[in-house]
Amino acid sequence: QITLTESGPTLVKPTETLTLTCTFSDFSLTTSGVGVGWIRQPPGKAPEWLAFIYWDDDKRYSPSLKSRLSIFKDISKSQVVLTMTNMDPVDTATYYCAHKPWNIISPAHWGQGILVTVSS
Amino acid sequence: QSALTQPASVSGSPGQSITISCTGTTSDIINYNYVSWYQQHPGKAPKLLIYEVTKRPSGISNRFSGSKSDDTASLTISGLQADDEGDYYCTSYTTNDAWVFGGGTKLTVL
Repeated sequence: QITLTESGPTLVKPTETLTLTCTFSDFSLTTSGVGVGWIRQPPGKAPEWLAFIYWDDDKRYSPSLKSRLSIFKDISKSQVVLTMTNMDPVDTATYYCAHKPWNIISPAHWGQGILVTVSS
Repeated sequence: QSALTQPASVSGSPGQSITISCTGTTSDIINYNYVSWYQQHPGKAPKLLIYEVTKRPSGISNRFSGSKSDDTASLTISGLQADDEGDYYCTSYTTNDAWVFGGGTKLTVL
């Protein structure tokens, strides 16, 4: 059974850099077509796609947040890491890690999410 | 990238059918058959219901179906059940090599 687990700080201060780790199991990020990425959802609002990394190390970022985001993978640890610089209170949200299977265009498996609050 | 447009709320009685619309632009829905739908219950992660406009992942009931015409994609739920109550989001691939979500629709089962 595919699982994804988000970890990282639940409270960050404005201007700090957020680093989130997604640890996954029961699939390989070396399989052609597979991707893992991040989607966030502010309280009471719609999800927002942030970034994805694919089996071939191709990376895609939200155009509006591209300058602040970086995503990379560690195959040996089955992990994908997202960093977001210059955090602001409007970045307060639940951050989800998600898996795109090789045969489905959209993220089909999601982690339980981690609520990150930005406050001084 | 602007969010896709969804109605804020829809409602229906058990056994009925409802349809949720999702309107986009030439940057997304019009030019790509990569529309997906997600269901979200309170406090839970979104669950994939439909991908590539009409396809259902394994394990998703055939009560859920998708379609698209021009700039609008639609999700239809037939035989409405109490457990269908929740929030529904559409999403589409875009010309920016990214994905955009709709604002969400709250479904109430009366």
